[in-house]
Amino acid sequence: QSVLTQSPSASGTPGQRVTISCSGSSFNIGRNPVNWYQQLPGTAPKLLIYSDNQRPSGVPDRLSGSKSGTSASLAISGLQSEDEADYYCAAWDDSLNGWVFGGGTKLTVL
Amino acid sequence: EVQVVESGGGLVKPGGSLRLSCAASGFTFRSYSMNWVRQSPGKGLEWVSTISSTSDYIYYADSVRGRFTISRDNAKNSLWLQMNSLRAEDTAVYYCARDLSAAMPGGFDYWGLGTLVTVSS
Repeated sequence: QSVLTQSPSASGTPGQRVTISCSGSSFNIGRNPVNWYQQLPGTAPKLLIYSDNQRPSGVPDRLSGSKSGTSASLAISGLQSEDEADYYCAAWDDSLNGWVFGGGTKLTVL
Repeated sequence: EVQVVESGGGLVKPGGSLRLSCAASGFTFRSYSMNWVRQSPGKGLEWVSTISSTSDYIYYADSVRGRFTISRDNAKNSLWLQMNSLRAEDTAVYYCARDLSAAMPGGFDYWGLGTLVTVSS
């Protein structure tokens, strides 16, 4: 059971906008920045969003992050086949004194 | 180019020990915290441990505290994870990941390819 809650799956067609949500508590998302990671099949994870809504260089602006209270979201617009991957949210948890991850959302591009 | 390369994984019996290494290059190693994150086969990501740039701050997941020890040598651009009293549930790919920050944990911006640890009799 993950500390952060994500829907196990999401899907969309090419060109669509999809949103992946992540729910936490006042100990993690409610008081600390959220990061998002993408893991393509058979590869290491990659940082997509940090500090709730910041993109590292090289990450396209059709990906965006947001946060409200104890929930965060990752939005992907102009969906492409190469977006098919697992997506994980993460935040520092002040009660556990460590990082917590969501269980991951598997995004399928139909 | 920033690179982190893990090594030291393998097959070990329950109760055994293993030491993972992470060699860093392409950045000023002493300026960043470093992390270990693992992923059991077919499962999600699980944070294991974080060490600050000067080793002043060290954090462990509850699942490994008391059994695993993280350490680093800034002169050698190297990070280690000493794993003792290994259990079947420690079976996973272990990733070394650079932190966004030098001190307070900021997130994992560069990841290695991982090294597989299998705990089985």
